[in-house]
Amino acid sequence: GQNIDQPTEMTATEGAIVQINCTYQTSGFNGLFWYQQHAGEAPTFLSYNVLDGLEEKGRFSSFLSRSKGYSYLLLKELQMKDSASYLCAVGPNNAGNMLTFGGGTRLMVKP
Amino acid sequence: DGGITQSPKYLFRKEGQNVTLSCEQNLNHDAMYWYRQDPGQGLRLIYYSQIVNDFQKGDIAEGYSVSREKKESFPLTVTSAQKNPTAFYLCASSILLGEQFFGPGTRLTVL
Repeated sequence: GQNIDQPTEMTATEGAIVQINCTYQTSGFNGLFWYQQHAGEAPTFLSYNVLDGLEEKGRFSSFLSRSKGYSYLLLKELQMKDSASYLCAVGPNNAGNMLTFGGGTRLMVKP
Repeated sequence: DGGITQSPKYLFRKEGQNVTLSCEQNLNHDAMYWYRQDPGQGLRLIYYSQIVNDFQKGDIAEGYSVSREKKESFPLTVTSAQKNPTAFYLCASSILLGEQFFGPGTRLTVL
């Protein structure tokens, strides 16, 4: 089966750094995705990790440890527009080419 | 412009009526997906299709039906058998094993 856990909510201050964790237990693994979703909008792709280590992309970085079933998304120099939900997704699983999504972490950035 | 479109953005229906949500993509993607999202929740997979004329049930397929007669189109019908159809519906597409691109979503309200 598939099980993905992320914190439900986080709050951080503008200009700070925040780390959003994701742990997973899946029957198959071929990569971990992070998506950003603003309220009422579609998710947009942020990052993809398939090998262990850190992937950096501007203010956003994503880390993966396959042996620990663990990933995090790191957001630096937080801006008010970063207030959104961040979705962790793992896939594809052994049952087919599907992503399994976690419940999402709602990040609130305060001035 | 390549992309994925969903229509309509907002949809209201009376209880007991079937309703069909449109999803079209011109990205030449083989795979298409339908997700349901409830307030404050993550995405749950309803159906997916990896190739024309073939589709598979996801985690919450009961009360829904799909068709994939053309590569570009993957309409979702919400039937009267779906007990709680009010939700935000997201369509996505991808190359096989690739990141998923999402449409803008349809917010369905059943009165």
